Amino acid sequence: DVKVTQSSRYLVKRTGEKVFLECVQDMDHENMFWYRQDPGLGLRLIYFSYDVKMKEKGDIPEGYSVSREKKERFSLILESASTNQTSMYLCASSSSLPGQGREKLFFGSGTQLSVL
Amino acid sequence: AQSVTQLGSHVSVSEGALVLLRCNYSSSVPPYLFWYVQYPNQGLQLLLKYTSAATLVKGINGFEAEFKKSETSFHLTKPSAHMSDAAEYFCAVTYSNDYKLSFGAGTTVTVRA
Repeated sequence: DVKVTQSSRYLVKRTGEKVFLECVQDMDHENMFWYRQDPGLGLRLIYFSYDVKMKEKGDIPEGYSVSREKKERFSLILESASTNQTSMYLCASSSSLPGQGREKLFFGSGTQLSVL
Repeated sequence: AQSVTQLGSHVSVSEGALVLLRCNYSSSVPPYLFWYVQYPNQGLQLLLKYTSAATLVKGINGFEAEFKKSETSFHLTKPSAHMSDAAEYFCAVTYSNDYKLSFGAGTTVTVRA
């Protein structure tokens, strides 16, 4: 089975801190995604990467950046954490784009980030 | 903009009763539609998908969904609920060769014994 591993299940940070959320997948997938999940809003795409060092902005990229130096690892960076970034963050990977209809997204278990 | 609307943020059903979760999409081009399920403290798992083949799609765990173009709907059903079906369910939409998968707000299902 494909495994998508997020480094922390729970994280507590203070406002203004630089925060790194790490995601690793073990199936050699080209595509990786970062979503945030908020009650009543579902999942919203933050960033997408289709190859090493390549990225595309999603629907809510403001306040976030990403890094993909190796194919298996996709990092989400909060340069200066704010309280409105308190949320559940989900990483996903896939061998094909959602719009190619061939492959599903594989999700990690999520990181619940609290910014105080 | 592509979007899906899930009607009802919470659904409560008795064990053995029909589960019906509603999803409507808005677009003028043919969509690809998905249902994902999230069990407590887990990531999302794909239940089923519609990608322009058969309009009635069967998924895992006894779930199925029917694509109705005339109603712009993709409702999820299961004839007989089980306690293990308690979870949050998300409808999602994308389009041919797009990288964005847009999710609905989610519907939480509770199953009463």
